[in-house]
Amino acid sequence: GQNIDQPTEMTATEGAIVQINCTYQTSGFNGLFWYQQHAGEAPTFLSYNVLDGLEEKGRFSSFLSRSKGYSYLLLKELQMKDSASYLCAALDSNYQLIWGAGTKLIIKP
Amino acid sequence: GAVVSQHPSWVICKSGTSVKIECRSLDFQATTMFWYRQFPKQSLMLMATSNEGSKATYEQGVEKDKFLINHASLTLSTLTVTSAHPEDSSFYICSGRQGETEAFFGQGTRLTVV
Repeated sequence: GQNIDQPTEMTATEGAIVQINCTYQTSGFNGLFWYQQHAGEAPTFLSYNVLDGLEEKGRFSSFLSRSKGYSYLLLKELQMKDSASYLCAALDSNYQLIWGAGTKLIIKP
Repeated sequence: GAVVSQHPSWVICKSGTSVKIECRSLDFQATTMFWYRQFPKQSLMLMATSNEGSKATYEQGVEKDKFLINHASLTLSTLTVTSAHPEDSSFYICSGRQGETEAFFGQGTRLTVV
Protein backbone atom coordinates (compact mmCIF):
# COMPACT_ATOMS: atom_id res chain seq x y z
CA GLY A 1 0.00 0.00 0.00
CA GLN A 2 0.94 3.63 -0.19
CA ASN A 3 2.00 5.38 2.96
CA ILE A 4 3.48 8.63 4.21
CA ASP A 5 4.94 8.90 7.71
CA GLN A 6 5.82 12.09 9.53
CA PRO A 7 5.90 13.00 13.22
CA THR A 8 2.62 14.16 14.72
CA GLU A 9 3.99 17.12 16.63
CA MET A 10 7.26 18.95 17.21
CA THR A 11 8.24 21.83 19.46
CA ALA A 12 11.03 24.32 18.82
CA THR A 13 12.26 27.66 20.12
CA GLU A 14 12.00 30.98 18.31
CA GLY A 15 15.23 31.69 16.41
CA ALA A 16 16.29 28.05 16.35
CA ILE A 17 16.39 25.45 13.56
CA VAL A 18 14.00 22.51 13.19
CA GLN A 19 13.99 19.54 10.82
CA ILE A 20 10.73 17.76 9.98
CA ASN A 21 11.22 14.29 8.53
CA CYS A 22 9.00 12.40 6.12
CA THR A 23 9.28 8.86 4.78
CA TYR A 24 7.17 7.60 1.94
CA GLN A 25 6.17 4.40 0.18
CA THR A 26 4.29 4.89 -3.07
CA SER A 27 3.48 3.10 -6.30
CA GLY A 28 5.93 4.93 -8.48
CA PHE A 29 7.27 8.35 -7.61
CA ASN A 30 7.06 11.67 -9.38
CA GLY A 31 8.18 14.04 -6.69
CA LEU A 32 7.58 15.18 -3.14
CA PHE A 33 5.83 18.31 -1.90
CA TRP A 34 5.85 20.19 1.37
CA TYR A 35 2.90 22.41 2.27
CA GLN A 36 2.28 24.69 5.24
CA GLN A 37 -1.18 24.84 6.73
CA HIS A 38 -2.31 27.25 9.43
CA ALA A 39 -5.33 26.25 11.46
CA GLY A 40 -8.58 26.81 9.60
CA GLU A 41 -6.83 27.65 6.35
CA ALA A 42 -6.00 25.79 3.15
CA PRO A 43 -2.45 24.48 2.60
CA THR A 44 0.09 26.72 0.89
CA PHE A 45 2.90 25.40 -1.27
CA LEU A 46 6.43 25.43 0.17
CA SER A 47 8.59 23.17 -1.98
CA TYR A 48 8.78 20.44 -4.59
CA ASN A 49 11.67 17.97 -4.95
CA VAL A 50 11.98 15.35 -7.63
CA LEU A 51 15.77 14.96 -7.77
CA ASP A 52 18.01 13.90 -4.89
CA GLY A 53 19.55 16.71 -2.92
CA LEU A 54 18.82 19.89 -1.06
CA GLU A 55 16.71 22.76 -2.39
CA GLU A 56 17.10 26.01 -0.49
CA LYS A 57 14.50 28.75 -0.54
CA GLY A 58 15.13 31.49 1.99
CA ARG A 59 14.65 30.23 5.54
CA PHE A 60 13.16 26.97 4.29
CA SER A 61 15.06 24.09 2.68
CA SER A 62 13.85 20.69 1.52
CA PHE A 63 15.88 17.53 1.02
CA LEU A 64 15.09 14.36 -0.90
CA SER A 65 16.67 10.91 -1.06
CA ARG A 66 14.78 8.77 -3.55
CA SER A 67 16.74 5.63 -2.75
CA LYS A 68 15.76 5.91 0.92
CA GLY A 69 12.22 7.13 0.37
CA TYR A 70 13.03 10.03 2.65
CA SER A 71 12.63 13.78 2.73
CA TYR A 72 12.98 16.52 5.28
CA LEU A 73 11.95 20.13 5.60
CA LEU A 74 14.44 22.37 7.37
CA LEU A 75 13.25 25.63 8.89
CA LYS A 76 15.88 28.14 10.04
CA GLU A 77 15.62 31.26 12.20
CA LEU A 78 12.22 30.18 13.42
CA GLN A 79 9.56 32.84 13.87
CA MET A 80 6.34 32.62 15.85
CA LYS A 81 4.38 32.79 12.58
CA ASP A 82 5.96 29.48 11.56
CA SER A 83 3.69 27.74 14.06
CA ALA A 84 1.53 25.62 11.74
CA SER A 85 1.07 22.12 10.42
CA TYR A 86 3.50 20.96 7.76
CA LEU A 87 2.18 18.43 5.27
CA CYS A 88 4.36 16.07 3.28
CA ALA A 89 2.83 14.68 0.07
CA ALA A 90 4.27 12.33 -2.55
CA LEU A 91 3.19 12.21 -6.18
CA ASP A 92 2.67 8.62 -7.31
CA SER A 93 2.91 7.05 -10.76
CA ASN A 94 -0.62 8.26 -11.58
CA TYR A 95 0.35 11.80 -10.58
CA GLN A 96 -1.94 11.54 -7.60
CA LEU A 97 -0.88 13.21 -4.36
CA ILE A 98 -0.58 10.89 -1.36
CA TRP A 99 -0.78 12.99 1.81
CA GLY A 100 0.83 12.54 5.19
CA ALA A 101 -1.16 13.38 8.31
CA GLY A 102 0.89 16.50 8.91
CA THR A 103 3.32 17.61 11.60
CA LYS A 104 2.10 20.25 14.00
CA LEU A 105 4.99 22.59 14.76
CA ILE A 106 4.78 24.58 17.98
CA ILE A 107 7.15 27.52 18.36
CA LYS A 108 7.94 28.75 21.87
CA PRO A 109 9.41 32.17 22.69
CA GLY B 1 1.69 31.01 -7.91
CA ALA B 2 -1.64 30.49 -9.60
CA VAL B 3 -4.87 31.36 -7.81
CA VAL B 4 -7.87 29.19 -7.11
CA SER B 5 -10.85 31.06 -5.69
CA GLN B 6 -13.20 28.98 -3.56
CA HIS B 7 -16.60 30.16 -2.32
CA PRO B 8 -18.19 30.31 0.11
CA SER B 9 -15.56 30.42 2.87
CA TRP B 10 -18.05 29.16 5.39
CA VAL B 11 -21.65 28.07 5.35
CA ILE B 12 -24.20 26.91 7.89
CA CYS B 13 -27.15 24.95 6.62
CA LYS B 14 -30.04 22.96 7.98
CA SER B 15 -29.98 19.19 7.90
CA GLY B 16 -31.57 17.87 4.71
CA THR B 17 -30.71 20.84 2.52
CA SER B 18 -28.10 21.01 -0.24
CA VAL B 19 -25.01 23.20 -0.40
CA LYS B 20 -22.97 24.13 -3.46
CA ILE B 21 -19.28 24.99 -3.25
CA GLU B 22 -17.54 26.66 -6.19
CA CYS B 23 -13.89 26.66 -7.19
CA ARG B 24 -12.59 28.89 -9.94
CA SER B 25 -9.06 28.94 -11.33
CA LEU B 26 -8.44 32.63 -11.96
CA ASP B 27 -5.23 32.74 -13.97
CA PHE B 28 -4.75 29.25 -15.31
CA GLN B 29 -6.78 26.45 -16.84
CA ALA B 30 -7.33 23.65 -14.37
CA THR B 31 -7.47 20.51 -16.44
CA THR B 32 -7.84 18.50 -13.25
CA MET B 33 -9.63 19.52 -10.08
CA PHE B 34 -9.33 17.66 -6.79
CA TRP B 35 -11.83 17.83 -3.95
CA TYR B 36 -10.67 17.10 -0.41
CA ARG B 37 -12.32 16.89 2.98
CA GLN B 38 -10.43 17.55 6.18
CA PHE B 39 -11.72 16.78 9.65
CA PRO B 40 -10.16 18.57 12.64
CA LYS B 41 -6.57 17.59 13.34
CA GLN B 42 -6.55 15.15 10.43
CA SER B 43 -4.89 15.17 7.05
CA LEU B 44 -6.53 15.94 3.74
CA MET B 45 -8.71 13.11 2.47
CA LEU B 46 -9.20 12.98 -1.27
CA MET B 47 -12.87 12.67 -2.15
CA ALA B 48 -12.81 12.81 -5.93
CA THR B 49 -10.82 13.78 -8.99
CA SER B 50 -12.47 15.47 -11.93
CA ASN B 51 -11.17 16.22 -15.39
CA GLU B 52 -12.80 18.93 -17.46
CA GLY B 53 -15.69 17.59 -19.49
CA SER B 54 -15.78 14.12 -18.00
CA LYS B 55 -17.32 12.42 -14.99
CA ALA B 56 -15.53 12.63 -11.68
CA THR B 57 -13.67 9.65 -10.24
CA TYR B 58 -14.66 9.11 -6.62
CA GLU B 59 -12.51 7.56 -3.92
CA GLN B 60 -13.68 4.43 -2.19
CA GLY B 61 -16.29 5.17 0.45
CA VAL B 62 -17.36 8.51 -1.03
CA GLU B 63 -20.99 8.52 -2.18
CA LYS B 64 -21.15 9.97 -5.68
CA ASP B 65 -24.89 10.59 -5.42
CA LYS B 66 -24.37 12.61 -2.28
CA PHE B 67 -21.35 14.61 -3.37
CA LEU B 68 -22.10 15.83 -6.88
CA ILE B 69 -19.12 17.20 -8.77
CA ASN B 70 -19.33 19.20 -11.96
CA HIS B 71 -16.30 20.32 -13.95
CA ALA B 72 -17.92 21.81 -17.00
CA SER B 73 -15.14 24.22 -17.90
CA LEU B 74 -11.40 24.58 -17.45
CA THR B 75 -11.91 27.35 -14.90
CA LEU B 76 -14.86 26.18 -12.83
CA SER B 77 -15.64 23.12 -10.75
CA THR B 78 -18.46 22.72 -8.25
CA LEU B 79 -19.15 20.33 -5.38
CA THR B 80 -22.75 19.98 -4.22
CA VAL B 81 -23.39 18.28 -0.90
CA THR B 82 -26.93 16.96 -1.24
CA SER B 83 -29.22 16.29 1.69
CA ALA B 84 -26.51 17.37 4.11
CA HIS B 85 -26.38 15.87 7.59
CA PRO B 86 -24.38 16.92 10.68
CA GLU B 87 -21.74 14.25 9.96
CA ASP B 88 -21.00 16.06 6.68
CA SER B 89 -19.76 19.05 8.67
CA SER B 90 -16.12 19.45 7.67
CA PHE B 91 -13.56 21.61 5.91
CA TYR B 92 -13.82 21.11 2.14
CA ILE B 93 -10.89 22.16 -0.05
CA CYS B 94 -10.44 22.11 -3.80
CA SER B 95 -7.20 22.18 -5.70
CA GLY B 96 -6.61 22.76 -9.36
CA ARG B 97 -3.79 21.39 -11.46
CA GLN B 98 -2.77 22.50 -14.92
CA GLY B 99 0.12 20.21 -15.63
CA GLU B 100 1.19 17.10 -13.79
CA THR B 101 2.81 18.52 -10.70
CA GLU B 102 1.99 21.37 -8.40
CA ALA B 103 -1.60 21.79 -7.25
CA PHE B 104 -3.00 25.14 -6.20
CA PHE B 105 -5.50 25.15 -3.38
CA GLY B 106 -8.64 27.14 -2.87
CA GLN B 107 -9.16 28.88 0.46
CA GLY B 108 -11.40 26.11 1.75
CA THR B 109 -15.04 26.01 2.83
CA ARG B 110 -16.06 25.28 6.38
CA LEU B 111 -19.44 23.56 6.29
CA THR B 112 -21.54 23.26 9.42
CA VAL B 113 -24.78 21.32 9.19
CA VAL B 114 -27.22 21.92 12.05
